Amino acid sequence: EAQVTQNPRYLITVTGKKLTVTCSQNMNHEYMSWYRQDPGLGLRQIYYSMNVEVTDKGDVPEGYKVSRKEKRNFPLILESPSPNQTSLYFCASSFTGRFSTDTQYFGPGTRLTVL
Amino acid sequence: QKEVEQNSGPLSVPEGAIASLNCTYSDRGSQSFFWYRQYSGKSPELIMSIYSNGDKEDGRFTAQLNKASQYVSLLIRDSQPSDSATYLCAVNLPGAGSYQLTFGKGTKLSVIP
Repeated sequence: EAQVTQNPRYLITVTGKKLTVTCSQNMNHEYMSWYRQDPGLGLRQIYYSMNVEVTDKGDVPEGYKVSRKEKRNFPLILESPSPNQTSLYFCASSFTGRFSTDTQYFGPGTRLTVL
Repeated sequence: QKEVEQNSGPLSVPEGAIASLNCTYSDRGSQSFFWYRQYSGKSPELIMSIYSNGDKEDGRFTAQLNKASQYVSLLIRDSQPSDSATYLCAVNLPGAGSYQLTFGKGTKLSVIP
């Protein structure tokens, strides 16, 4: 089944404790992206990657890191989480990222709480 | 500045009626437009995309685009309770922004049986 998977789905952690949220897709997509969704603020892009070893900042990259060492994986790293990073996180992927012709598929989401 | 505006709702319509969802965007260079549906606690799923002025129909859904007025709308005919969800409008820019989608905050739709 073609899908985007994220792990963990739920995470409660404490301020300053490094964490990684994994994202994997099995559709051979070049483009992958991370979003966060907050009440009243909508869905905002954190980082995106157009291919292996190519990443770029989205609209809210502060406090986050990403890496793209393999085509299928795009982990989101919070080196020192803070309470304002409590949010619902979505990973997404598409074939090329050229949205004039492409469709973006979302993972199931990771609900993160930072105490 | 990229802005996509939607009424937050909730928009309530009776079952069987037409639901009309609207979205305006600030950047005249925007070229691709998308409607996503998001059920509570779930991930967004694409239901319509539209790239040129006019109407595009897919089953009970019709997307309408008017680039001159900078708005895009989604009509849902014969609304069903299962259509109750938040609908997100997303816009894509050409050039440097072409690898990003900017989302509106969403309109919550409730279809009353």
